[in-house]
Amino acid sequence: GNSVTQMEGPVTLSEEAFLTINCTYTATGYPSLFWYVQYPGEGLQLLLKATKADDKGSNKGFEATYRKETTSFHLEKGSVQVSDSAVYFCALLLPNFGNEKLTFGTGTRLTIIP
Amino acid sequence: DAGVIQSPRHEVTEMGQEVTLRCKPISGHNSLFWYRQTMMRGLELLIYFNNNVPIDDSGMPEDRFSAKMPNASFSTLKIQPSEPRDSAVYFCASSQQETQYFGPGTRLLVL
Repeated sequence: GNSVTQMEGPVTLSEEAFLTINCTYTATGYPSLFWYVQYPGEGLQLLLKATKADDKGSNKGFEATYRKETTSFHLEKGSVQVSDSAVYFCALLLPNFGNEKLTFGTGTRLTIIP
Repeated sequence: DAGVIQSPRHEVTEMGQEVTLRCKPISGHNSLFWYRQTMMRGLELLIYFNNNVPIDDSGMPEDRFSAKMPNASFSTLKIQPSEPRDSAVYFCASSQQETQYFGPGTRLLVL
């Protein structure tokens, strides 16, 4: 079946540190890949996505590259801010026969300290 | 655009009572999803609709849970009777072009 494995949290970093959150996937087919972010007390919102191999998604200083050879979609940011503290979810979608069901990872809680 | 609207935002009820959660998706979105989030079980998809028709309800925990989408602009998730283990945050989301847009959630506490 399809699955997403995320780096276990929680992750605590100092402001301006470099961030990597690992994400690997298993899928039968060619999925689209997503990172969603959930700020405290809110619903999830799309952070970035990539729909085919070697695509790079980017938003708000975050980046992730779709690596088919390693089945990975790691999230990176060069210099984190306190406002980046949130839970980050990696997800995949297999757009077969109109399917719109996302498969989510378990989420990684990130805390940035000043 | 107002985004996905959920009501109520908070609900406290007693075990055995009926609970109805409501969702208004973003206009023009054809698919609607109900999720449940808890610390223990994480984020779980309960059911999703496409063009008002239930497509996958395999995540609905048991017969106490039911969901309807009578038209393109409204959906309900009902729990009857409610139990303490149903306490969670329930999210509604609608989607367009593979991207899901989540509502702010309903925080349910069953005493």
